[in-house]
Amino acid sequence: NAGVTQTPKFRILKIGQSMTLQCTQDMNHNYMYWYRQDPGMGLKLIYYSVGAGITDKGEVPNGYNVSRSTTEDFPLRLELAAPSQTSVYFCASMTVYNSPLHFGNGTRLTVT
Amino acid sequence: KNEVEQSPQNLTAQEGEFITINCSYSVGISALHWLQQHPGGGIVSLFMLSSGKKKHGRLIATINIQEKHSSLHITASHPRDSAVYICAVTDKLIFGTGTRLQVFP
Repeated sequence: NAGVTQTPKFRILKIGQSMTLQCTQDMNHNYMYWYRQDPGMGLKLIYYSVGAGITDKGEVPNGYNVSRSTTEDFPLRLELAAPSQTSVYFCASMTVYNSPLHFGNGTRLTVT
Repeated sequence: KNEVEQSPQNLTAQEGEFITINCSYSVGISALHWLQQHPGGGIVSLFMLSSGKKKHGRLIATINIQEKHSSLHITASHPRDSAVYICAVTDKLIFGTGTRLQVFP
């Protein structure tokens, strides 16, 4: 098992550009999450999904969109990138609420 | 008030000391997770608890469901334990703000 795979690892965007952060898991997990972590700060929930076809907003969804067309994939889309979206993005997944959490290695995004 | 509170925020220790990090929560949970993040690194799951106590090497995690409180203990701390330790609770995955631990030789 590869676990949770995030791509890319690093990206620099210009203001106004768009991109998709990829997250794939091969553990057949139902629950998937996107978080951002600003320097020296805690993790903030952007979007989450409890299964294919179901997504919901977290604490900081503005400027982002997600889709969950398959169990394995949970891409995060940034439209019209802004400097405030400079952050490290983590994807996480788990089977059910009382099962271990698995994290991807993160995507470090800089918007200039 | 945050739904998940950790203390202390920062912790400094000498190698060999016994470390305790606390986590209190105010919501109903299915499980509590302890996570570790090294500087500039990814996030690793240490424990998932729904009751009682778990031990892995020098790390021990306990939870008291009635008191809504969990502790992470590190025995015989080592400089390589220096990291940020984060507790998180489910169903709604809510994270504490983390405890930054530095262990000096």
